[in-house]
Amino acid sequence: DADVTQTPRNRITKTGKRIMLECSQTKGHDRMYWYRQDPGLGLRLIYYSFDVKDINKGEISDGYSVSRQAQAKFSLSLESAIPNQTALYFCATSDWPRQDVYNEQFFGPGTRLTVL
Amino acid sequence: AQSVAQPEDQVNVAEGNPLTVKCTYSVSGNPYLFWYVQYPNRGLQFLLKYITGDNLVKGSYGFEAEFNKSQTSFHLKKPSALVSDSALYFCAVRDIVPRGSTLGRLYFGRGTQLTVWP
Repeated sequence: DADVTQTPRNRITKTGKRIMLECSQTKGHDRMYWYRQDPGLGLRLIYYSFDVKDINKGEISDGYSVSRQAQAKFSLSLESAIPNQTALYFCATSDWPRQDVYNEQFFGPGTRLTVL
Repeated sequence: AQSVAQPEDQVNVAEGNPLTVKCTYSVSGNPYLFWYVQYPNRGLQFLLKYITGDNLVKGSYGFEAEFNKSQTSFHLKKPSALVSDSALYFCAVRDIVPRGSTLGRLYFGRGTQLTVWP
């Protein structure tokens, strides 16, 4: 979805390096998410943010940190990358639910990260 | 805890034949159910969702899904498969939470690889 962009699209790095993955969106959504995808495991939530001042841990936040610089930007950092963080990383956005109806999430194209 | 299961890692079907990709769910309360598709080298795309109402939900690209509360299932279907439907399909679930709750996340299945051969 062109409304959600991720940079870089591919990255190869070495163990111990600090890495930042960036996500930007033009959809005007308040909610943003970071997932990682591993073969056979589906998508697992790393962190999510419901507005600029709100950051929440997902199910696999260890080894990761995030920054919500603005409504449109949500960055994921690996402070000291390790090989088992090799995965496909997705950013997603969604709007606030209206009348408790949950709206779908819109995904970026993904960042393929390889940690050697 | 909320969860979804996709019992088949792979589904193979001939072009023109009907296809079904299975999903079962486990939630406390009434579920919100979603199907997403991932084409090679792309992010996930929303296909359809069930919130309430008719058990048969129609979505993008001719797909539909049937909600079955007694069987806790939400299978994705298409009457006539196309080669271009070949992709990875994910089922996801979220249950109803109180307004203002800090929840609001999706739980994804492991994905089912659909291959449609000519």
